[in-house]
Amino acid sequence: DAKTTQPTSMDCAEGRAANLPCNHSTISGNEYVYWYRQIHSQGPQYIIHGLKNNETNEMASLIITEDRKSSTLILPHATLRDTAVYYCIVRVPYGGSQGNLIFGKGTKLSVKP
Amino acid sequence: GAVVSQHPSWVICKSGTSVKIECRSLDFQATTMFWYRQFPKQSLMLMATSNEGSKATYEQGVEKDKFLINHASLTLSTLTVTSAHPEDSSFYICSAPDRGMASNSPLHFGNGTRLTVT
Repeated sequence: DAKTTQPTSMDCAEGRAANLPCNHSTISGNEYVYWYRQIHSQGPQYIIHGLKNNETNEMASLIITEDRKSSTLILPHATLRDTAVYYCIVRVPYGGSQGNLIFGKGTKLSVKP
Repeated sequence: GAVVSQHPSWVICKSGTSVKIECRSLDFQATTMFWYRQFPKQSLMLMATSNEGSKATYEQGVEKDKFLINHASLTLSTLTVTSAHPEDSSFYICSAPDRGMASNSPLHFGNGTRLTVT
């Protein structure tokens, strides 16, 4: 089972920041938080990942709370093309088929004009 | 950035026939690749882990004789759906880590293959 909880859906106005929350209260010390998104009928796209520190790249920022029980993905200036299902995933450490990603239901983000 | 290419992007086949789907890592080597399946309005479900030079590992409930996986090189894994039936119609997606299996190595996904069995 997925180890994360996300809102089912969110709306965001075009040009505004989109803040997507994720709870992962049972995360272990060596487990990374990953964010992916899936646009309809395409494969998931990697966005960002982190362990303890906040991370930023050209796509987004990831804010992880100090206790690591929750995180927020921030899209600083959402566009219509950011409309997608966003998945927050706690990655199981490698071993056997572990090391893969277990997808939950994600948050459907709708960016509106 | 790391790219995973999947082919074909869609395929329609008749019931009882077999279909092969290819997954290639274009600019990195992948000793491990993962195969997922996604039914409409559902999330991705892991089917199997493909290991270069050895047998694949299948998730519980996935028939290994029906979904044949071959990982013959460090850049290519194939999934063959044998004796396909309409209930096998789904979106099949592969992925691979670009820096080995460390926990901080992102998985990169192909664009998926839409299989329709008539």
